[in-house]
Amino acid sequence: GQSLEQPSEVTAVEGAIVQINCTYQTSGFYGLSWYQQHDGGAPTFLSYNGLDGLEETGRFSSFLSRSDSYGYLLLQELQMKDSASYFCAVSYMNTGFQKLVFGTGTRLLVSP
Amino acid sequence: EAQVTQNPRYLITVTGKKLTVTCSQNMNHEYMSWYRQDPGLGLRQIYYSMNVEVTDKGDVPEGYKVSRKEKRNFPLILESPSPNQTSLYFCASSFTGAGADTQYFGPGTRLTVL
Repeated sequence: GQSLEQPSEVTAVEGAIVQINCTYQTSGFYGLSWYQQHDGGAPTFLSYNGLDGLEETGRFSSFLSRSDSYGYLLLQELQMKDSASYFCAVSYMNTGFQKLVFGTGTRLLVSP
Repeated sequence: EAQVTQNPRYLITVTGKKLTVTCSQNMNHEYMSWYRQDPGLGLRQIYYSMNVEVTDKGDVPEGYKVSRKEKRNFPLILESPSPNQTSLYFCASSFTGAGADTQYFGPGTRLTVL
């Protein structure tokens, strides 16, 4: 089976940097995605890592180490609007095509 | 505007009364899926569809049915709802279903089964 672990909650202050970790155990691993979900809203795509290394998109960066089965989402210059839940999701090969499994989510609380 | 729509957004029903939650996308996506979201459990996939008339079970398919007769629509059917199906449901679509492919989620349907 597939399993992912991420912290349930992280707190930080405005302007700070926060890192949300995700470890996984997946056979046929293909890549790691990150999604953001505000309270009452739908998940929205943030980033994808298929190869080892860092991907940067504005204030957000995502990192993957395939050898360590580990990735993280880095949020810089935190703003109040970044308060949300963040989900990592692994894609893996199953019966000839990719499937996607989500983690349980990390709730980020940004305080003034 | 590119979007995934779901209806209804909120539904309260009773045990055993068949219901359908509709999902429609206007992006010509081939891949569509249904998730349920429960506190502490994240998003769990119920069913997915790779294309018209091609569907398969996700991780929690028991008690649900789907059909994909048209590319844009992917309804979720609960033949005999039970209280343990009380949850927040999301429909999603993408071009291929691959991880690198952005999943577009609908606004969600909050279902309560009494």
